[in-house]
Amino acid sequence: QITLTQQAESLWVSPGEKVSITCRASQSLLYTDGKHYLSWYQQRPGQTTKALIYHASIRTDGVPTRFIGSGSGTEFTLSIEDVQPEDIALYYCLQTLKKPYTFGAGTKLELK
Amino acid sequence: EVQLQESGPGLVKPSQSLSLTCSVTGYSITSNYWGWIRKFPGNKMEWMGYISYSGSTSYNPSLKSRISITRDTSKNQFFLQLNSVTTEDTATYYCARLTTRVYYFDYWGQGVMVTVSS
Repeated sequence: QITLTQQAESLWVSPGEKVSITCRASQSLLYTDGKHYLSWYQQRPGQTTKALIYHASIRTDGVPTRFIGSGSGTEFTLSIEDVQPEDIALYYCLQTLKKPYTFGAGTKLELK
Repeated sequence: EVQLQESGPGLVKPSQSLSLTCSVTGYSITSNYWGWIRKFPGNKMEWMGYISYSGSTSYNPSLKSRISITRDTSKNQFFLQLNSVTTEDTATYYCARLTTRVYYFDYWGQGVMVTVSS
């Protein structure tokens, strides 16, 4: 199965800063259609899990433009520019290229 | 608006079966794929499986023959059954929609915590 590695268990940020969360896959997530099957999710206590990014770089409806997905092949990044207090959450990457679908271990964003 | 809501017992005894229901409103489960995902204490997430718009299923091999996902289209619900549970099945269980066009989970339930304990 494909392993996704999110190296940072926690990241500490101050409001207004930029932060990047990385996700490394054990094999390329590029499909023959030219798209990467890598998505990013946000979990905040008391709220439903929110999909932020799909196909590595496409924001889902309503997601603020400060959330930026990038990367290709096996290396992917979720960047949050101008971090807001409401961005403090747990973030996961997920691959849906091959079954079983697999998640990264999660990165917790915390306030300095 | 698409909404999903998990329901089921919060406590299950070891060796018994865990049964959960996902009730969907705002969208028919005869379209797209409908999955179960769980989050263990310590935050590890695991995709368990899904049932498709046609009723076909796909499961995580790690769950071997313990898992079954079924549906009732008349009630717009789908179900998870996990047999022979152990304490390692203690987790928060989520249902979610997998959009077939782009293959990501676009709508999620709130999750239900299930503890396996005698």
